[in-house]
Amino acid sequence: DAKTTQPTSMDCAEGRAANLPCNHSTISGNEYVYWYRQIHSQGPQYIIHGLKNNETNEMASLIITEDRKSSTLILPHATLRDTAVYYCIVRVGTSYDKVIFGPGTSLSVIP
Amino acid sequence: EPEVTQTPSHQVTQMGQEVILRCVPISNHLYFYWYRQILGQKVEFLVSFYNNEISEKSEIFDDQFSVERPDGSNFTLKIRSTKLEDSAMYFCASSQLAGGGDTQYFGPGTRLTVL
Repeated sequence: DAKTTQPTSMDCAEGRAANLPCNHSTISGNEYVYWYRQIHSQGPQYIIHGLKNNETNEMASLIITEDRKSSTLILPHATLRDTAVYYCIVRVGTSYDKVIFGPGTSLSVIP
Repeated sequence: EPEVTQTPSHQVTQMGQEVILRCVPISNHLYFYWYRQILGQKVEFLVSFYNNEISEKSEIFDDQFSVERPDGSNFTLKIRSTKLEDSAMYFCASSQLAGGGDTQYFGPGTRLTVL
């Protein structure tokens, strides 16, 4: 079973920042927080991952709390193409460690 | 940017027929996976594969399923005798490293429809 809790759905105005929260209170010291998204039955798309420190790439930023029990994915300027289901996944991240998808958060970006 | 590719994008078959779904993982990746997603449900792990062997398989991956790396670039999933309930999106994924923090990259999927 997924080790994370996410809101079922969220709305965000186009051009504004989308902040997607995730709770992972039972995360272990060697587990990473990964974010993927899935746009309408397309393949899951990797967004970002982190262990302890905040991370940023061309797609998003990941903010992890100091106690690592929760995190927030930030899409700085949401567009209509960011409408998707976003999955927060906790895993060790070895290649033997399968990705377990929960229900995720359905983000709707509204014009 | 390198990506995982899958063919065909859509496969329609009759119940009881064999199907082979094909994947070309990212070229320097060594670990390969198949996942599936039944319409309206979560993405589910099927099998992982490394060094020409299955590393792990789920309960779904029964004797009707098999995987193969027939050459240096392709990775296939075969369903020997398809059932109606095999209708789903099938996603291939690959990853590069064995260490922590590794990332699996997914292909666009093959939609399998069993009639």
